[in-house]
Amino acid sequence: AQSVTQPDIHITVSEGASLELRCNYSYGATPYLFWYVQSPGQGLQLLLKYFSGDTLVQGIKGFEAEFKRSQSSFNLRKPSVHWSDAAEYFCAVGALNQAGTALIFGKGTTLSVSS
Amino acid sequence: DAGVIQSPRHEVTEMGQEVTLRCKPISGHDYLFWYRQTMMRGLELLIYFNNNVPIDDSGMPEDRFSAKMPNASFSTLKIQPSEPRDSAVYFCASSPSGRAEFFGPGTRLTVL
Repeated sequence: AQSVTQPDIHITVSEGASLELRCNYSYGATPYLFWYVQSPGQGLQLLLKYFSGDTLVQGIKGFEAEFKRSQSSFNLRKPSVHWSDAAEYFCAVGALNQAGTALIFGKGTTLSVSS
Repeated sequence: DAGVIQSPRHEVTEMGQEVTLRCKPISGHDYLFWYRQTMMRGLELLIYFNNNVPIDDSGMPEDRFSAKMPNASFSTLKIQPSEPRDSAVYFCASSPSGRAEFFGPGTRLTVL
């Protein structure tokens, strides 16, 4: 079955510390991977996406993610977290070669940032 | 560009009433998606359009839900009659690539 797993429901990180949010997927087709961020009361904002090429992708707001095909993972990282990064983060997967295919979203990870 | 625009941002209605949610996609995007977000089920795709034509509505929960896209700059999602279990945040998203990359701010629907 196609699925996206974000194992951590809630993570708290100190401001200035590094961050890694985990994402594992199960998908039959060649995956097209996304990370989104959602602030309270807001829509989802695309942080970054991967579909081919360099497995380390850079996104907005200083985020990056690494695609590891052997581990079926697409973990999101940031070297130094800012208080404004507190939000909910969603990993999603779609089929690379099928436009319009529904994205499958993980349940999300809520990030809290402590001072 | 103003991004994807949704209205209203909040809607409170009583069970049995008709609810219409509206979306204006980003100009030039030929794909439009409607998603629903709930605590229990997370984000679910309801329906998507390509060039104003509905392509996949398999996610529409039941016949009470309908969606239209009369032109490239406007879409509606209608629930008639509404039920309390329809309470959720409804997102519209658009993209030129066929994947939901640009989301609107959502409409928070509460059905009493």
